[in-house]
Amino acid sequence: EAQVTQNPRYLITVTGKKLTVTCSQNMNHEYMSWYRQDPGLGLRQIYYSMNVEVTDKGDVPEGYKVSRKEKRNFPLILESPSPNQTSLYFCASSSLVMGDSTDTQYFGPGTRLTVL
Amino acid sequence: QKEVEQDPGPLSVPEGAIVSLNCTYSNSAFQYFMWYRQYSRKGPELLMYTYSSGNKEDGRFTAQVDKSSKYISLFIRDSQPSDSATYLCAMSYGDGNKLVFGAGTILRVKS
Repeated sequence: EAQVTQNPRYLITVTGKKLTVTCSQNMNHEYMSWYRQDPGLGLRQIYYSMNVEVTDKGDVPEGYKVSRKEKRNFPLILESPSPNQTSLYFCASSSLVMGDSTDTQYFGPGTRLTVL
Repeated sequence: QKEVEQDPGPLSVPEGAIVSLNCTYSNSAFQYFMWYRQYSRKGPELLMYTYSSGNKEDGRFTAQVDKSSKYISLFIRDSQPSDSATYLCAMSYGDGNKLVFGAGTILRVKS
């Protein structure tokens, strides 16, 4: 079964305590990305990666880091979380060429992060 | 001004109604247009994917793109309570490029 998994699903932490949210996909997709979803703002891209060792900033990269050492994994790192990073985070993966199919892009189930 | 504008709703309709969901955008460079459905506490699910202008139909869903007006629509025929969700439009410049999302419209279909 094609899927994108994220861990943890829920996390409450305190300001300044480093954390990592993992993302893994089993579809051999080249393209992976992280989004945050906030009320009234929709989904905003944080970082994306077009292949192993290739990453780039999205619209809201400040305070986040990523790495892509393996094709299947794309962890999101918050070195020093702050309360304004409280949000719902989604990882997504897709083929670089979407073609005409909806079977080529998947989102993970989300990670709800609260930073106190 | 946001690149993609979408009315947040909520839009409440009776079961069986035709639903029209819309987005406008400002950047004429967008070429790919997508609609996602997101149930509560779940990740978005890609519903419809259209390249350039025109219509695309898939079962009860029809996606329409009017690039001259910078306007896209999603129509849902014979709406069901199971269609109750948030619908997000998104656009991109091309394959492998980032997606720009609308804020999402909450749809409620009442039985």
